[in-house]
Amino acid sequence: GAGVSQSPSNKVTEKGKDVELRCDPISGHTALYWYRQSLGQGLEFLIYFQGNSAPDKSGLPSDRFSAERTGGSVSTLTIQRTQQEDSAVYLCASSLAVGVGQETQYFGPGTRLLVL
Amino acid sequence: AQSVTQLGSHVSVSEGALVLLRCNYSSSVPPYLFWYVQYPNQGLQLLLKYTSAATLVKGINGFEAEFKKSETSFHLTKPSAHMSDAAEYFCAVSNQGAQKLVFGQGTRLTINP
Repeated sequence: GAGVSQSPSNKVTEKGKDVELRCDPISGHTALYWYRQSLGQGLEFLIYFQGNSAPDKSGLPSDRFSAERTGGSVSTLTIQRTQQEDSAVYLCASSLAVGVGQETQYFGPGTRLLVL
Repeated sequence: AQSVTQLGSHVSVSEGALVLLRCNYSSSVPPYLFWYVQYPNQGLQLLLKYTSAATLVKGINGFEAEFKKSETSFHLTKPSAHMSDAAEYFCAVSNQGAQKLVFGQGTRLTINP
């Protein structure tokens, strides 16, 4: 079956511009996660959705970052007024959420963001 | 708070040799532990996970890991390395109260012919 897909695969933008990153989870997966992978910080959790609500958004680094999920499926991560330190690979994952933390998270290929 | 430490950012072994990648965790509650592998320009793929059943966990591609509570460790091993094992490996922890994964810094595995 289809895995987690993300678009675009690569994005180059200028400092100060807004960007939107999209994630399509595995069909039937109610939990969706965003992580960021950068050279300096490794893999960091950003936000988690259960259905359309976000019980944990503790990892969002600033108020320039926001995310939404509609229809319990597709999610969009938006970064406003991008900065060079936002350059990273943004990974999306999904899982069958049973609320106990042991579910396998399936990762997409990521969006590589470069802010010039 | 939970954390993961992977000892050795780079590990190099010869083809056919034992692979040992080290992972130590810190958690105030019983943990769930995961090993993921990442090939260049790809996402993460689950190798194996520990969820409080058997302490010796077998995964894909011949890898296994043993949960040792007394040592707070979850080291990843493979008896005989193959060239295709060259990748970056991440250890991660979660628990019953938290959905997010907390990752270690990763270990890049190189296989020498």
